Amino acid sequence: EDKVVQSPLSLVVHEGDTVTLNCSYEVTNFRSLLWYKQEKKAPTFLFMLTSSGIEKKSGRLSSILDKKELSSILNITATQTGDSAIYLCAVNSGGSNYKLTFGKGTLLTVNP
Amino acid sequence: ETGVTQSPTHLIKTRGQQVTLRCSSQSGHNTVSWYQQALGQGPQFIFQYYREEENGRGNFPPRFSGLQFPNYSSELNVNALELDDSALYLCASSWGHDLGNSPLHFGNGTRLTVT
Repeated sequence: EDKVVQSPLSLVVHEGDTVTLNCSYEVTNFRSLLWYKQEKKAPTFLFMLTSSGIEKKSGRLSSILDKKELSSILNITATQTGDSAIYLCAVNSGGSNYKLTFGKGTLLTVNP
Repeated sequence: ETGVTQSPTHLIKTRGQQVTLRCSSQSGHNTVSWYQQALGQGPQFIFQYYREEENGRGNFPPRFSGLQFPNYSSELNVNALELDDSALYLCASSWGHDLGNSPLHFGNGTRLTVT
């Protein structure tokens, strides 16, 4: 059974800080790893990482996939209060290519 | 291009009742997936519908059932509601059942409370 573990489960920082969120996985026939941001209801898509695309960046957010260590990090620089949210990590595997397996998420709180 | 829309947004039901949640897929998408997100947990896969057939199912009992219609919209039905069914139910659509190369985009969800 595919497994995704995120750490830390919660994090409180001050505006302007840089944060690193972690995600590790155990899956059969890894295909992709995805990061989502969830504020109130719907998770919104941030990044998708695959064997052919192990590093992604968008503005202050960036993510790296380490296939050797079976893990990924999500970095947020110069945090803002609007970054406060739950960040979810999910993986897709060849054994069940029709679904995503999610971790429990990291609750990030950015204080002014 | 319209995104994934779900209805209703909130619902309160009593234990033992039945509920139907609805989802309209994003324009151009032919596959719908349903997830359950309990408080403090990540979303859990319930099932996926592709071309009006169930294409995969997670670890949920048979009282969780679904339908997909010719216009690719979908329904999630839950019978004999239990208190633990209280959760946010998320629908997502995609083109094709294989998620390896394209991300899922979710609707805003239906918050179900069972009392």
